[in-house]
Amino acid sequence: SQQGEEDPQALSIQEGENATMNCSYKTSINNLQWYRQNSGRGLVHLILIRSNEREKHSGRLRVTLDTSKKSSSLLITASRAADTASYFCATDARAAGNKLTFGGGTRVLVKP
Amino acid sequence: SQTIHQWPATLVQPVGSPLSLECTVEGTSNPNLYWYRQAAGRGLQLLFYSVGIGQISSEVPQNLSASRPQDRQFILSSKKLLLSDSGFYLCAWSLGVGSYEQYFGPGTRLTVT
Repeated sequence: SQQGEEDPQALSIQEGENATMNCSYKTSINNLQWYRQNSGRGLVHLILIRSNEREKHSGRLRVTLDTSKKSSSLLITASRAADTASYFCATDARAAGNKLTFGGGTRVLVKP
Repeated sequence: SQTIHQWPATLVQPVGSPLSLECTVEGTSNPNLYWYRQAAGRGLQLLFYSVGIGQISSEVPQNLSASRPQDRQFILSSKKLLLSDSGFYLCAWSLGVGSYEQYFGPGTRLTVT
């Protein structure tokens, strides 16, 4: 089974609204990364948060990490139609040989 | 700056035919290289990774193989394709394992008929 599982699987919002998606994982991690994938394209790295960090910001993105609950959230504020994409969390865990393990992704549709 | 190339972009192959997908990286030396497969609407499954020339680690038993004949070249192959090999194949590179972001190529859409 996959280390990271995103919730919800799909999300539809209006432009200007915030989008929040969550990632849960099973084993202790070194860090957690979020990636974005436009339809039919490769993934693009968004942000990395280390296990000793609780929150990180990058532009309109805010990532939180709660290692006690083994979960992370990605918040996109003031969404735009161009934010329409799938978003994946990926965990780096010693138990997985320090290779990234990707979740199933959250498909986000931002309606103009 | 670094660039990663994959080709072909799309491929339709009959069952039982061979496969060769190529990935090359420019602008960096001794990268870690990865092959992933993505089923429709799903996450990424790591197939192979390489930390150096000739060093290949297989993550999933299958009829696929990988080779790294040069530092910045990574090839995914099969002698005989199966229907279940259909999917979106992504190549990626990173400076190291774990705490390094990965940079992905544009992907190859493979349909086995």
